[in-house]
Amino acid sequence: GNSVTQMEGPVTLSEEAFLTINCTYTATGYPSLFWYVQYPGEGLQLLLKATKADDKGSNKGFEATYRKETTSFHLEKGSVQVSDSAVYFCALNRNAGNNRKLIWGLGTSLAVNP
Amino acid sequence: SQTIHQWPATLVQPVGSPLSLECTVEGTSNPNLYWYRQAAGRGLQLLFYSVGIGQISSEVPQNLSASRPQDRQFILSSKKLLLSDSGFYLCARQVGTEAFFGQGTRLTVV
Repeated sequence: GNSVTQMEGPVTLSEEAFLTINCTYTATGYPSLFWYVQYPGEGLQLLLKATKADDKGSNKGFEATYRKETTSFHLEKGSVQVSDSAVYFCALNRNAGNNRKLIWGLGTSLAVNP
Repeated sequence: SQTIHQWPATLVQPVGSPLSLECTVEGTSNPNLYWYRQAAGRGLQLLFYSVGIGQISSEVPQNLSASRPQDRQFILSSKKLLLSDSGFYLCARQVGTEAFFGQGTRLTVV
C-alpha cells in the first residue's frame, strides 16, 4: 500500500546549522509529494511540494527533490533559524476517485537553539 | 481565500460528557473536508472525510461521529467522551492534492 516514512525526532540543531529530514515513500503510480510545517499550537501549513519526478520544491530556504529512483523526498535547509522550530510532516497524495486522500508521515520535531 | 475556522481553540471536558467541534470554511463551495486527530507521537490520523452535504466517510472505528449539515460546515461529535479522545483535532479542506488546515482544537478529557 501507500505509506510515508520519516526520520524520527526530535532533531535539535544550533542556529545556522544544516538541516536534513529524511522522508521515503511507497506508492503506486506517480503521487505528488509534500512537506507541511506545524508551528507550536497551530494547524499545518504547506511548506513545499513536488508533483513529478526530479521536481524540486522550495520555500523559505527549504528545498526537497522528488527522487523516484530512491523513492525519497528529503527536506533540507542550508542554515536554520530559531524560528524554524516546528514539527515537519512529509505527505503524499493518493488518488482515490474524487477524494484524493493525503498519506502522512508521523512528523519530525525540530528544535533550533540560538 | 482558503480560510478555515475551528472552534473552540481549547476545550477541557469530563469523561462521559458530549462533544461538538465545529469547522466552517469560507470562500468556496462544495469543498472536500476532513477531520484529523493528532496525538502525541502518532502523527496525523484521518478520522472522517466528506465530499458533500450529508456524505461522511469514516476512516477508523471510534467513539466519534461527524456530520455535514451545510456545504461549508463540518461537525465532529461524541455522545460520551473517553479519556483516549484527548488530542489535537484539525479540520482541513483539500483543493486537488493540497490541504489547508484550521488552527485546531486542543481537547483534554479529564
